[in-house]
Amino acid sequence: SQTIHQWPATLVQPVGSPLSLECTVEGTSNPNLYWYRQAAGRGLQLLFYSVGIGQISSEVPQNLSASRPQDRQFILSSKKLLLSDSGFYLCAWKGLEEAFFGQGTRLTVV
Amino acid sequence: GENVEQHPSTLSVQEGDSAVIKCTYSDSASNYFPWYKQELGKRPQLIIDIRSNVGEKKDQRIAVTLNKTAKHFSLHITETQPEDSAVYFCAASRNTGFQKLVFGTGTRLLVSP
Repeated sequence: SQTIHQWPATLVQPVGSPLSLECTVEGTSNPNLYWYRQAAGRGLQLLFYSVGIGQISSEVPQNLSASRPQDRQFILSSKKLLLSDSGFYLCAWKGLEEAFFGQGTRLTVV
Repeated sequence: GENVEQHPSTLSVQEGDSAVIKCTYSDSASNYFPWYKQELGKRPQLIIDIRSNVGEKKDQRIAVTLNKTAKHFSLHITETQPEDSAVYFCAASRNTGFQKLVFGTGTRLLVSP
């Protein structure tokens, strides 16, 4: 069966520091992969999506970036975090229909 | 691109009442419409979905209806229970080509005993 791993679960980072969140998927090949951000009490904002290795589409201009170095690995990065980057980050993969989410990373930028 | 709007943003009901959440979408090529439930601090999980070739689908106390002409779909929860309290998200995507999954803004449902 397919599983999705996302880490870390929580992260506190100072303003201006770099960020790297990793997501890996098991049990499937060539998945569609997504990064979403959820601000406190808000909806799921699509940040990036990828249909294959090295293929990244950005939905929202921001100081975040994403990479897909391997088929089942999706990384969210930032060179310098802003206070507004705080939120709950969710990685997801989608097969033919249903999307499955990772456990999420609660990022607090201080 | 696809845009999904969801209403209401909050919904309070008494236990045993019904709850209805409505969504509209903009991309006429979207043909897959899932609903997710997110409990506090946890990941969203699929509760029901509907495809464009179906107008209604039921699963026990939960049902979803779809009107492709009007481009809107709704979630219906009957006989609500306190454990139904959560945030509910609708979403829309295509099933072919690139399947970008776009979510609505969420509805916080509170079921009071």
